[in-house]
Amino acid sequence: AQSVTQLGSHVSVSEGALVLLRCNYSSSVPPYLFWYVQYPNQGLQLLLKYTTGATLVKGINGFEAEFKKSETSFHLTKPSAHMSDAAEYFCAVSERGGYQKVTFGIGTKLQVIP
Amino acid sequence: DSGVTQTPKHLITATGQRVTLRCSPRSGDLSVYWYQQSLDQGLQFLIHYYNGEERAKGNILERFSAQQFPDLHSELNLSSLELGDSALYFCASSVDGQASNSPLHFGNGTRLTVT
Repeated sequence: AQSVTQLGSHVSVSEGALVLLRCNYSSSVPPYLFWYVQYPNQGLQLLLKYTTGATLVKGINGFEAEFKKSETSFHLTKPSAHMSDAAEYFCAVSERGGYQKVTFGIGTKLQVIP
Repeated sequence: DSGVTQTPKHLITATGQRVTLRCSPRSGDLSVYWYQQSLDQGLQFLIHYYNGEERAKGNILERFSAQQFPDLHSELNLSSLELGDSALYFCASSVDGQASNSPLHFGNGTRLTVT
């Protein structure tokens, strides 16, 4: 069975500082990995995804994530935080082949301090 | 705008009542997923429909049911409501139900409050 662990339900960074949101996964087969962002009073929207190929994936709004198979991790980073990045971020995993089931992490709320 | 429409945005009802949440998927998407989001449980998968057929069930209570109609819109029915059913209910759609790398497109949710 697949699972996702997001370390840190709340993360605070100063504006202009590095953003690092951690995600570790468990999957019995090579996974597809996603990061979604949820702004207040909105649904989730896709930031980026890893399917195959290059392990460093670039997404929208300057975010990127690196798939590290040996560490079963898919951490999300952004070099310089902006006030507009304040939101909740969800890591998700789904299994290759067969039926698509997506499992979400508990979410990490990012606060950006001016 | 994700293209996924959910109605109503807010719903306030009493315990024991029954409500229906509606979702119209993004144009061209055949799959509809329902999720429940609460503070203590996070985002929980309820049920998935693909082209009118139930594809998978998650943590959905027997008091809850769903269906997907020929025009691909979906309804989630919640009955005998309890205080603990208060949550944000999301619908998401994707282009198909086979390729697990298809991203999900979420609506803005229906906030249900049971009093």
